[in-house]
Amino acid sequence: GAVVSQHPSRVICKSGTSVKIECRSLDFQATTMFWYRQFPKQSLMLMATSNEGSKATYEQGVEKDKFLINHASLTLSTLTVTSAHPEDSSFYICSASQGQGYEQYFGPGTRLTVT
Amino acid sequence: AQSVTQLDSHVSVSEGTPVLLRCNYSSSYSPSLFWYVQHPNKGLQLLLKYTSAATLVKGINGFEAEFKKSETSFHLTKPSAHMSDAAEYFCVVRLTDSWGKLQFGAGTQVVVTP
Repeated sequence: GAVVSQHPSRVICKSGTSVKIECRSLDFQATTMFWYRQFPKQSLMLMATSNEGSKATYEQGVEKDKFLINHASLTLSTLTVTSAHPEDSSFYICSASQGQGYEQYFGPGTRLTVT
Repeated sequence: AQSVTQLDSHVSVSEGTPVLLRCNYSSSYSPSLFWYVQHPNKGLQLLLKYTSAATLVKGINGFEAEFKKSETSFHLTKPSAHMSDAAEYFCVVRLTDSWGKLQFGAGTQVVVTP
């Protein structure tokens, strides 16, 4: 089956620093990748959608300058949380898809803690 | 607009008894519906999906769901709960946008007691 990995699985950073999270599709080409955020005991909230080679499309209320998304290849997307603050602490999950109508395959998630 | 509503935020069952997780959907089109499970601090695992084929969908780990258009429901069931079924369950609808974005329900926490 399709496998999506995320790295790191867990990261702790100091307030004001930036953190990069990688999302990779290991055995298929992902035309589209999605980034979600999940607060404790809550559902997943879609942050942005990225298509390979294009700028990401952000959901309403998500700061594109704070959450930088790059989808430079068909197997890799990155999410950079810039100038992180404690309120950015969350579980970030990516998913990858071969395109519209295809299933989304989810990564295992990255736990970000900002101190 | 398309959306899903999970009717129970928390369900507690005894091991060996049936599990029922309720989900209603709202959609102007024939929806694509999914159930995902998330164990603590883990990613999501697809249990099953409905994409306008058979209305009774069988998934992994003994779960199944029935699509009922007249009731706009897609409830998830399992005949006999196992301790390992304790997790968070999400009912999800795929939007008819150009990217196939997913809209998640609020989730149902399942607790299984011995």
